[in-house]
Amino acid sequence: EPEVTQTPSHQVTQMGQEVILRCVPISNHLYFYWYRQILGQKVEFLVSFYNNEISEKSEIFDDQFSVERPDGSNFTLKIRSTKLEDSAMYFCASGRPGQGTTNTGELFFGEGSRLTVL
Amino acid sequence: DAKTTQPTSMDCAEGRAANLPCNHSTISGNEYVYWYRQIHSQGPQYIIHGLKNNETNEMASLIITEDRKSSTLILPHATLRDTAVYYCIVRKYFGNEKLTFGTGTRLTIIP
Repeated sequence: EPEVTQTPSHQVTQMGQEVILRCVPISNHLYFYWYRQILGQKVEFLVSFYNNEISEKSEIFDDQFSVERPDGSNFTLKIRSTKLEDSAMYFCASGRPGQGTTNTGELFFGEGSRLTVL
Repeated sequence: DAKTTQPTSMDCAEGRAANLPCNHSTISGNEYVYWYRQIHSQGPQYIIHGLKNNETNEMASLIITEDRKSSTLILPHATLRDTAVYYCIVRKYFGNEKLTFGTGTRLTIIP
């Protein structure tokens, strides 16, 4: 069964360093998302991406964050200068447009990348 | 997106049916009810979705009231592996609408 894969599974970094989290969405999907979950808190939407541009972003997704789909397969989240409060699990998700009865319109999530900022 | 209300936590005995309620009284006509779950700290997993008819798949059944203001997710024979946080989410079906997660219901299956 196709799945969304994320790397690294865990990254430890120093405050102020740049971090890139990578995702390989399911190959025929068109919509891509990043979410984060701070330990013990809700899963929070960061950004959605379609047709090579950002569709929507949350207040969390400030100028320190950027996303890119550099080669048609990878989808990356970059944090330019990490802060302690960026420590969280980051989930990538992908999906297709909902249509008909053969496509549920669901989002498929990866297993996440745990980011620890020291 | 319409807001949903779920109980904070529930317990269910292993082998019994787990019935998880959700209120979504402000749901609009083009919004579907989706259910996801998150086992420990894994990525959220799709369970089922519906518009107005009851739905069933290999994982669960979804019962939506006639006025669409509430729904119930039913896990027919709960196992220990069903222990998770269950999220009821209202979302437009088409396009790239995001999922907005609430706090969900923490379901604990008791041996």
